[in-house]
Amino acid sequence: DGGITQSPKYLFRKEGQNVTLSCEQNLNHDAMYWYRQDPGQGLRLIYYSQIVNDFQKGDIAEGYSVSREKKESFPLTVTSAQKNPTAFYLCASSRYRERLFFGEGSRLTVL
Amino acid sequence: QQPVQSPQAVILREGEDAVINCSSSKALYSVHWYRQKHGEAPVFLMILLKGGEQKGHEKISASFNEKKQQSSLYLTASQLSYSGTYFCGTEMGGATNKLIFGTGTLLAVQP
Repeated sequence: DGGITQSPKYLFRKEGQNVTLSCEQNLNHDAMYWYRQDPGQGLRLIYYSQIVNDFQKGDIAEGYSVSREKKESFPLTVTSAQKNPTAFYLCASSRYRERLFFGEGSRLTVL
Repeated sequence: QQPVQSPQAVILREGEDAVINCSSSKALYSVHWYRQKHGEAPVFLMILLKGGEQKGHEKISASFNEKKQQSSLYLTASQLSYSGTYFCGTEMGGATNKLIFGTGTLLAVQP
C-alpha cells in the first residue's frame, strides 16, 4: 500500500539530546513537509522540501534540522537548541500544489 | 500570514448546519480543508483553487472567494462523525508549494 510512514510513534528525550524523527513515503511525491502541533493548537510549518537536495524553513525552524537526500525520505532532527520540543510532529507529502497526505504522527516528550 | 479561522469552536445538535470561515491577508492560490480527530492525523476534505470554485463532498461543501481571500466550509445536517477540529490550509501565489494552516475550529456534534 502507498503511504507515509513515520517512526517512532512515541519518543522520549532527555534534555540536551538530539533526536531524529523518520518520515518515508512511497507515493513518488516531490514535496514533503514537517509540521508541529501543540495541544489545542493548529499545525505550524517547520520545514518543507519541494525537491531532492533542497528544503526551505517554515515559520518555526529554529532548533530543528532536516535533510532531503532521497525523494522518499525527509528526516527531522530535533536539536538541543529547541527549548520546548514536547509536541506532536506530523510529516506530509504531496504532488506539486495538490492535497497533502499525512503520516500518523510522532509524539515527542521531553523528560 | 497564518489564516484566521472563525468561529474558534461550535457545538451543534445532530442535524444542524454549521459554517466555518477562513480568511487570509494575502492573495491565495488555493485553500485546503482538513478534519482532525483527537490524536490522529488530519484527514483531507477538499481543495479549492482560485476562480471562485465551489466543491462538495457528501454533505460538506466549500466556497472560495479569491477577491476577498476567504473560504467557507459548509456542513449540512451534521452527523456525530463530523466532530473534530477543522483546519484550513492556504497556499499563496508564486512557485511555492508551501501550505500554512489556520488555528482550527473545534466542532462538537451532540446527539
